[in-house]
Amino acid sequence: AQSVTQLGSHVSVSEGALVLLRCNYSSSVPPYLFWYVQYPNQGLQLLLKYTSAATLVKGINGFEAEFKKSETSFHLTKPSAHMSDAAEYFCAVSDVGYSTLTFGKGTMLLVSP
Amino acid sequence: DAGVIQSPRHEVTEMGQEVTLRCKPISGHNSLFWYRQTMMRGLELLIYFNNNVPIDDSGMPEDRFSAKMPNASFSTLKIQPSEPRDSAVYFCASSRTEVTGELFFGEGSRLTVL
Repeated sequence: AQSVTQLGSHVSVSEGALVLLRCNYSSSVPPYLFWYVQYPNQGLQLLLKYTSAATLVKGINGFEAEFKKSETSFHLTKPSAHMSDAAEYFCAVSDVGYSTLTFGKGTMLLVSP
Repeated sequence: DAGVIQSPRHEVTEMGQEVTLRCKPISGHNSLFWYRQTMMRGLELLIYFNNNVPIDDSGMPEDRFSAKMPNASFSTLKIQPSEPRDSAVYFCASSRTEVTGELFFGEGSRLTVL
C-alpha cells in the first residue's frame, strides 16, 4: 500500500525564515503527490499537487515542492515564512488513476515573530 | 459556490447513543469521502463513494459504523452504538473523480462520546 512519511511532527521557524517540511513516499512507481494545509478548526485545503508533469510544483501562498524520484521525496518549501503560515501541513499520496488519498501524520508549523 | 457542508459541527453524546453525521458535497462532484482525524491515528479514510455507490469501505472500523449516500447531494455516517473511542473529528470531502486527489473538505464534525 502507498504511504508517506513526514519527518518531524512540529517545525518552528522565525518570521521571514525559510520553511522546509519533509515528506518521503513509498512506491515502486511514481505516484501522485499532494500537500494540504489545515488551519485551526477548519478542514484541509489543497496547497499543491504533483501529477508527473514538472518536478517543481508551485502552489498557493508562495509554497512550492520538488519531486525527487531518486530520493523518493516531495519536500515543501517557502522562502520566507509569514505568521499566517502557522498551520498543520499534510503530505498525501495517491496511486495513478485512483481517487483515494493516503495522508501522512502531519507537521505543525509554528512561526514566531 | 458553497463548499462541502457538514452538520453538526459539534456533537456531545453519551456512550451507547446513536450518532448521525451529515454531509452535503459540492454540486457536480461525483466522489465523496469520509475521513476520521484523531491525534493518535491522524487522518484515516473510512469510506469512499463514487456516483453514490460505496467503492471502498475497508476503513470502516466495525459494524457499529455505517454510511449511506442516497443521492448525489447528501451522505450520512452513522455510529450505533457510540463508544468513547469514537471521539474524533469526522471530515467529509468531495471531488470530481477525473481530477485525482483534489479533495474539497468540509469543516468537520467534532464528536465527543462520554
